[in-house]
Amino acid sequence: DAGVTQSPTHLIKTRGQHVTLRCSPISGHKSVSWYQQVLGQGPQFIFQYYEKEERGRGNFPDRFSARQFPNYSSELNVNALLLGDSALYLCASSLAFGLAASLQETQYFGPGTRLLVL
Amino acid sequence: GIQVEQSPPDLILQEGANSTLRCNFSDSVNNLQWFHQNPWGQLINLFYIPSGTKQNGRLSATTVATERYSLLYISSSQTPDSGVYFCASEARSGGGADGLTFGKGTHLIIQP
Repeated sequence: DAGVTQSPTHLIKTRGQHVTLRCSPISGHKSVSWYQQVLGQGPQFIFQYYEKEERGRGNFPDRFSARQFPNYSSELNVNALLLGDSALYLCASSLAFGLAASLQETQYFGPGTRLLVL
Repeated sequence: GIQVEQSPPDLILQEGANSTLRCNFSDSVNNLQWFHQNPWGQLINLFYIPSGTKQNGRLSATTVATERYSLLYISSSQTPDSGVYFCASEARSGGGADGLTFGKGTHLIIQP
């Protein structure tokens, strides 16, 4: 079975531009989450979507937005790019959402998109 | 939100050595996972372990939820074990909406 896939793998943008990152979850998974990982740090939570609705949002500015499609794939959009947005953007999928200590909430990560803002 | 602290931050071992990585968390958790991040950035699932003990080959993990810590054991280390190990947890109080909070990781180097 295919794992979580993300596209593109690498991207170079300039300040002020807009970027769209894409993620396809593992087949059968209905929850998708996005994380940002800057060099030397652990990933930071940006968004979680389940059944096409936003269920959680981390401490990121409104320049960051996302959506989930009927086939459970997802897009992360970042407007007005800043140099500090340069990072590895990771997508994760899980079977379920909102359960207590359930194996169905195990999150599986994709390979990430490396974004460089110049 | 929940705080996750990992120790040690860096660890250098010879091949064949055993190691213990620790993760402390500040709240009751619904989800606790251990990951290995390879040099290409891929986060590889090691364990889903909000409580109890699990083993997978040379790796095992134990979470003592009442004392809010988790341990990852690596036995007979090999050079491919090198990389960054992350602990990540999700607070029970968040109802699933807070995502995973990651520690800063343990950077493990296994020397031949």
